Amino acid sequence: EAGVAQSPRYKIIEKRQSVAFWCNPISGHATLYWYQQILGQGPKLLIQFQNNGVVDDSQLPKDRFSAERLKGVDSTLKIQPAKLEDSAVYLCASSLSPALGGYEQYFGPGTRLTVT
Amino acid sequence: GDSVTQMEGPVTLSEEAFLTINCTYTATGYPSLFWYVQYPGEGLQLLLKATKADDKGSNKGFEATYRKETTSFHLEKGSVQVSDSAVYFCALVDNTDKLIFGTGTRLQVFP
Repeated sequence: EAGVAQSPRYKIIEKRQSVAFWCNPISGHATLYWYQQILGQGPKLLIQFQNNGVVDDSQLPKDRFSAERLKGVDSTLKIQPAKLEDSAVYLCASSLSPALGGYEQYFGPGTRLTVT
Repeated sequence: GDSVTQMEGPVTLSEEAFLTINCTYTATGYPSLFWYVQYPGEGLQLLLKATKADDKGSNKGFEATYRKETTSFHLEKGSVQVSDSAVYFCALVDNTDKLIFGTGTRLQVFP
């Protein structure tokens, strides 16, 4: 079974530039998550999708971050414009629907973003 | 809100030593509890889980028991290996199905 795929693995940009990350979840997983992991901290949920609808985006800085999950499969996370404090690893995870007891989340390798 | 507290690292051990990483939680109700591991350069992997009080999760020689009375879920291993060097995260699922992580504990095992 293929795992969660993410690209790119690394990205370096200057502040005020824009960047996009891509995620392909495990086939059949209805729920998709984006997390931000700042160095030395645990992952923090940015947004959760159930199929192609947003379930929770309460911690997404909506003035600069956006995410979409068209067709309920792949997802992209965008930052525009980037700030220095956005430097972090962005993790994508997927799971079966929590309503079906799918609490186990499977994580991709992450994208390490450095903003200079 | 719900939260998870882990012991700070790094934890430095010699090979074959006994490992304990402490984890306590604050939550309404009785959440499912997890330990995730993050090896260098890789994403998080689920190590073990427990869904109700007194459950013991185990995997790869690691164990953790869900203790409702002490709101704890300490990770243990009887004999660590160099290959266990990683960052370990304790986590819970809150009543909105959100995964809440602790800050992580780095384990370094030396030969």
